[in-house]
Amino acid sequence: GEDVEQSLFLSVREGDSSVINCTYTDSSSTYLYWYKQEPGAGLQLLTYIFSNMDMKQDQRLTVLLNKKDKHLSLRIADTQTGDSAIYFCAERGGGYNKLIFGAGTRLAVHP
Amino acid sequence: ETGVTQSPTHLIKTRGQQVTLRCSSQSGHNTVSWYQQALGQGPQFIFQYYREEENGRGNFPPRFSGLQFPNYSSELNVNALELDDSALYLCASSFGFSSSYNEQFFGPGTRLTVL
Repeated sequence: GEDVEQSLFLSVREGDSSVINCTYTDSSSTYLYWYKQEPGAGLQLLTYIFSNMDMKQDQRLTVLLNKKDKHLSLRIADTQTGDSAIYFCAERGGGYNKLIFGAGTRLAVHP
Repeated sequence: ETGVTQSPTHLIKTRGQQVTLRCSSQSGHNTVSWYQQALGQGPQFIFQYYREEENGRGNFPPRFSGLQFPNYSSELNVNALELDDSALYLCASSFGFSSSYNEQFFGPGTRLTVL
């Protein structure tokens, strides 16, 4: 079946690292994504990882993929107040470009 | 280059009514996907259109229907509205849908409230 699970809430201090975790079920997923959603806005693609990779780094963002455990994580270094948002993990499913999203993790950054 | 736009931004309807939501895809994109995002949930895939044909459908009843036009803009129609249809409706456009990477660009969404 298709299912993506995330923890619902994460609170971090400004300047610390944030780690948001996700598990997925479809082992045939080719791409896995992290999206950001700010209040009242649509979804912004932050980064993605191809299923044959273990890690991808993009400036302050690091994505780790453990295919054996079907576990994906997003690390945000030096978290800023502007990073406060909801973060969605998504996998690509089906034979077409359908995205299966988790319920989202709300990241709160406090001084 | 214009991004994905959606109209209207907000809409209030009553149970039993019908609604049409519109989406203009990003320039050069030929594929449009629609998602429903209920409050506090992640987006759920409704269906996808590629070159004016429905290309895939999620677990939504037939009263959710769509169209894609020759200019690749799209409409989502919902008949016989129910209270549970209240949600943010997101449109995403991409070029193609193959197994290679096709980034989906999301619009800002239409917030539908059903009373």
